Amino acid sequence: DVKVTQSSRYLVKRTGEKVFLECVQDMDHENMFWYRQDPGLGLRLIYFSYDVKMKEKGDIPEGYSVSREKKERFSLILESASTNQTSMYLCASSFPIGDTGLAGDYEQYFGPGTRLTVT
Amino acid sequence: QKEVEQNSGPLSVPEGAIASLNCTYSDRGSQSFFWYRQYSGKSPELIMFIYSNGDKEDGRFTAQLNKASQYVSLLIRDSQPSDSATYLCAVRPQKNRDDKIIFGKGTRLHILP
Repeated sequence: DVKVTQSSRYLVKRTGEKVFLECVQDMDHENMFWYRQDPGLGLRLIYFSYDVKMKEKGDIPEGYSVSREKKERFSLILESASTNQTSMYLCASSFPIGDTGLAGDYEQYFGPGTRLTVT
Repeated sequence: QKEVEQNSGPLSVPEGAIASLNCTYSDRGSQSFFWYRQYSGKSPELIMFIYSNGDKEDGRFTAQLNKASQYVSLLIRDSQPSDSATYLCAVRPQKNRDDKIIFGKGTRLHILP
């Protein structure tokens, strides 16, 4: 079974603190993602990485950074937490599924999520 | 901007009936289409994917794709209370190595016992 784990299920931080959210996958997947999920806004991509030390901005990267020093670990960093970063944070890694007849397609497998509250 | 649209619901369906969930997308060049199910308080899990026009069946689930009309749907036959969840439609805009996909905001489905 694919395992994507996140360091905390619940986290409470103060405004201005530096926050680290850790994500680890155990299946040697190349691609990893960080999303946040908010009511009425759905899943929004923050950053993704398709290789060690590689990162790409998603749709809402402002206020966040990431680190991928090892293939299995993808960290999301809030440099100075703000109340508008209170959210559910979901990490995902992806692996090939099926045979699309193209280069292959990928399933994104999600971790359990971290509910972050910034006060 | 590439978008994926879904009716937020809730969609209420009697137990045993067919639940029909719909999704439209804006990028005509989109390649692959996914349906994720998310139970309350849980993370999304993939239940279906489709990339060719037509129907794809898996048990009680059928995904339907119409690229000309830019919509994808999910049918759930013999709906069960355990099907009550939010269903997320996701679209791969183009074939990239980075595997980025775009999610809709989801449709809440409620199966009435």
